[in-house]
Amino acid sequence: SQKIEQNSEALNIQEGKTATLTCNYTNYSPAYLQWYRQDPGRGPVFLLLIRENEKEKRKERLKVTFDTTLKQSLFHITASQPADSATYLCALVANNAGNMLTFGGGTRLMVKP
Amino acid sequence: GAGVSQSPSNKVTEKGKDVELRCDPISGHTALYWYRQRLGQGLEFLIYFQGNSAPDKSGLPSDRFSAERTGESVSTLTIQRTQQEDSAVYLCASSSRRGGSSYEQYFGPGTRLTVT
Repeated sequence: SQKIEQNSEALNIQEGKTATLTCNYTNYSPAYLQWYRQDPGRGPVFLLLIRENEKEKRKERLKVTFDTTLKQSLFHITASQPADSATYLCALVANNAGNMLTFGGGTRLMVKP
Repeated sequence: GAGVSQSPSNKVTEKGKDVELRCDPISGHTALYWYRQRLGQGLEFLIYFQGNSAPDKSGLPSDRFSAERTGESVSTLTIQRTQQEDSAVYLCASSSRRGGSSYEQYFGPGTRLTVT
């Protein structure tokens, strides 16, 4: 069956460190993968999109990698700040799924001052 | 500009009642999506509208769930004969579609539905 897996345990890191979140998928042929941030009581907010033929994408302190051989995406936040504390969701669109995004369960990040 | 809006923000209803949830997408966005998010869990796709095409209803969990969209504007999600397991946050998102590719989805704040 198709699965998108993110670590359900919260990730606790110290301010200034790099946070790395993992998204693994099985039985998908993704056209592209997206990362979203969700704060409590609010809808997700789009952060980055990476296509199947791209290895890496950067935006300010954020970096996303996409390894279609390992079937994995890594999401990095460098020089993390307490304001980065939130739940981060990965989502992918399969090649044969039109525009339908399938979301992982999200990983909660806590950045301590 | 205005983002995606949803109403009501909170809805408490008794088991067996029908509820209607409303979504106003970003003006000009041709695609509209409904998701359900149970407490502490990820987003579960429900239904997708794209322009005047037939909606993708593949995520609707039962025939008690239905949704409509008027053109490229407002959508309503209706849940009939609500059950306690329907309690969740219902999120709406819209996106534009240019050149055959979809871009990011813009989410509303959600409607928190509680069935007692």
